[in-house]
Amino acid sequence: AQSVSQHNHHVILSEAASLELGCNYSYGGTVNLFWYVQYPGQHLQLLLKYFSGDPLVKGIKGFEAEFIKSKFSFNLRKPSVQWSDTAEYFCAVNEERDDKIIFGKGTRLHILP
Amino acid sequence: GAGVSQSPRYKVAKRGQDVALRCDPISGHVSLFWYQQALGQGPEFLTYFQNEAQLDKSGLPSDRFFAERPEGSVSTLKIQRTQQEDSAVYLCASSSNRGSNEKLFFGSGTQLSVL
Repeated sequence: AQSVSQHNHHVILSEAASLELGCNYSYGGTVNLFWYVQYPGQHLQLLLKYFSGDPLVKGIKGFEAEFIKSKFSFNLRKPSVQWSDTAEYFCAVNEERDDKIIFGKGTRLHILP
Repeated sequence: GAGVSQSPRYKVAKRGQDVALRCDPISGHVSLFWYQQALGQGPEFLTYFQNEAQLDKSGLPSDRFFAERPEGSVSTLKIQRTQQEDSAVYLCASSSNRGSNEKLFFGSGTQLSVL
C-alpha cells in the first residue's frame, strides 16, 4: 500500500528565511503528487501538483516542488517565506490507476514576524 | 453553491448514538470523497463516489460507517453506534472529473466529538 512520509511535524522560521519541507512516498509505479495547504480557519486547498513532464513544478504564492523519482521525493520549497505562509502543509500521492489520494500527516509551519 | 458545503459544522454525540453528516459538493462535480482527520494527523481516505456509484469504500474503518450519494450530488456519511475513537473532523471533497487527478475542492469539515 502506498504511504506518504513528511519529515518535519513542526517548523518555525523567521520571515525571509528559505523553506524546504520534505516528503517521501512509498509507491514504485507511476504517481501523481500534490501539496495541499490549510491556512488557519480555512479549508484545505491545492498548492501545486505534478503529473508528468518537468519535475520542477511551480505553484501559487511563490512555492515550488521538485519531483526526484530516484529518491521517491517531492520536497516543497520557497526561497523567502512571509508571515502569511503560516499554515499546515500536506503532501499527497495518487497512484496512476487509483482514484483516491493519500495524504501525509502534515507539517505545521509557523512564521515569526 | 460557490464551494463544498458540509453540515453540521460541529456535532457532539453520546457514545452509542447514530450520527449523519451531510456534504453538498460543487454543482456538477462528478467525484466525491470522504476523509477522516484525527487531531494532529493528515486526512485518511474513507470512501469515494463517482456520481451515485460508490467505487471505493476500502477506507471505512468498520461496518458502523456507511455512505451514500443516491442522486449523484448530495452525500451523507452515517456512523452508527458512535465510539470515542470516531471523534475526528470529517472532510468532504469534490472534483469535476473522475478521481482526484484534478484539483480537489474541500469543505470546512464536520468536527465530531463523541463523549
